[in-house]
Amino acid sequence: GESVGLHLPTLSVQEGDNSIINCAYSNSASDYFIWYKQESGKGPQFIIDIRSNMDKRQGQRVTVLLNKTVKHLSLQIAATQPGDSAVYFCAEILGGATNKLIFGTGTLLAVQP
Amino acid sequence: DSGVTQTPKHLITATGQRVTLRCSPRSGDLSVYWYQQSLDQGLQFLIQYYNGEERAKGNILERFSAQQFPDLHSELNLSSLELGDSALYFCASSTRGGFEPQHFGDGTRLSIL
Repeated sequence: GESVGLHLPTLSVQEGDNSIINCAYSNSASDYFIWYKQESGKGPQFIIDIRSNMDKRQGQRVTVLLNKTVKHLSLQIAATQPGDSAVYFCAEILGGATNKLIFGTGTLLAVQP
Repeated sequence: DSGVTQTPKHLITATGQRVTLRCSPRSGDLSVYWYQQSLDQGLQFLIQYYNGEERAKGNILERFSAQQFPDLHSELNLSSLELGDSALYFCASSTRGGFEPQHFGDGTRLSIL
């Protein structure tokens, strides 16, 4: 039978605006989180990571915020550019004996010039 | 260029067949990870090898197997193929054995007719 495609949440922003991409993770024991960017026809590319003992981490034009109370992660992109158009995935990692990685469903960021 | 090489880029085969996907990790990386990305399931972690040994297992079917060779390249074997196995298969590599930020290849697109 036919496969039903994933309905990716889409965020449409104007060039130069700030973008906020959200991710709800599933396991309160997850201790490490990574944001990846996937452009069309390419594999995911690392953007930024954060450990569970932090609630904020900044990179170049990007900031990740972690709220463990509500199991929520966000990626903020400052001064969004057309080259930022891609699908963004969060990944949660449970370390130690569990050693498991789970990707979120992804958000499509569309930057309008 | 991530430094991770996957071959072939495209593969078309029929149900019931067996295929082998190949991955050469980035120079110096000891870990190799395999992922499946399909329209209805998103990005799913399959399996990880570190320096030749299986390190972590995700949602890998029994019909699928993988190995990492002494030169650190890896192969993912998919057998008794079904229509639902049509997907993009990504390989990623990293320096150490945990789920630290990985470098992804551009994938092998597998189409089952």
